[in-house]
Amino acid sequence: DAGVIQSPRHEVTEMGQEVTLRCKPISGHDYLFWYRQTMMRGLELLIYFNNNVPIDDSGMPEDRFSAKMPNASFSTLKIQPSEPRDSAVYFCASTLSWTGELFFGEGSRLTVL
Amino acid sequence: SQKIEQNSEALNIQEGKTATLTCNYTNYSPAYLQWYRQDPGRGPVFLLLIRENEKEKRKERLKVTFDTTLKQSLFHITASQPADSATYLCALVPNTDKLIFGTGTRLQVFP
Repeated sequence: DAGVIQSPRHEVTEMGQEVTLRCKPISGHDYLFWYRQTMMRGLELLIYFNNNVPIDDSGMPEDRFSAKMPNASFSTLKIQPSEPRDSAVYFCASTLSWTGELFFGEGSRLTVL
Repeated sequence: SQKIEQNSEALNIQEGKTATLTCNYTNYSPAYLQWYRQDPGRGPVFLLLIRENEKEKRKERLKVTFDTTLKQSLFHITASQPADSATYLCALVPNTDKLIFGTGTRLQVFP
């Protein structure tokens, strides 16, 4: 298996633009997580899905952030409009059992100017 | 408030020594605790999981302890090597259904 695949790896955009991050989880994994990592706050859980259904989005910073999982092999995290404080590395992770190990993608580094 | 604390200062040790990293938590009653390794520019990679009823878990040169009374986990790397240099993250699974991460401790092993 290729592991969790994220795209793009790097995104530089201007404030106010829409940003879409994409994730392909490992086939067969029932859980998908979106995390954001910054130096100041570390890894923060934004939202997670179970069987394509959002279970907990309490970590989503505000209404500018939205996430979808239209099928078992694809998820998106959208920021509209983006702001400089959204600059961070965004990780997607998946797992078979939610108490088991998480498999992380390589992350999408977002810079908002 | 709920917190997971790892030493924010880097740990520098000499090759061959044992590295010990600490993870302290407050106001959680975790059912599980996990340790991950993260290299620069990469995603975290799972290392070990320990359950609340386990005191110790080993895997090759790695050892993790879990003291629910002290609310602390210790992560040991014996016979450390320069290739062990990375940031190590602890993560706990509280009784609520979330995996919460500490901010990590950077380990530097010098030859």
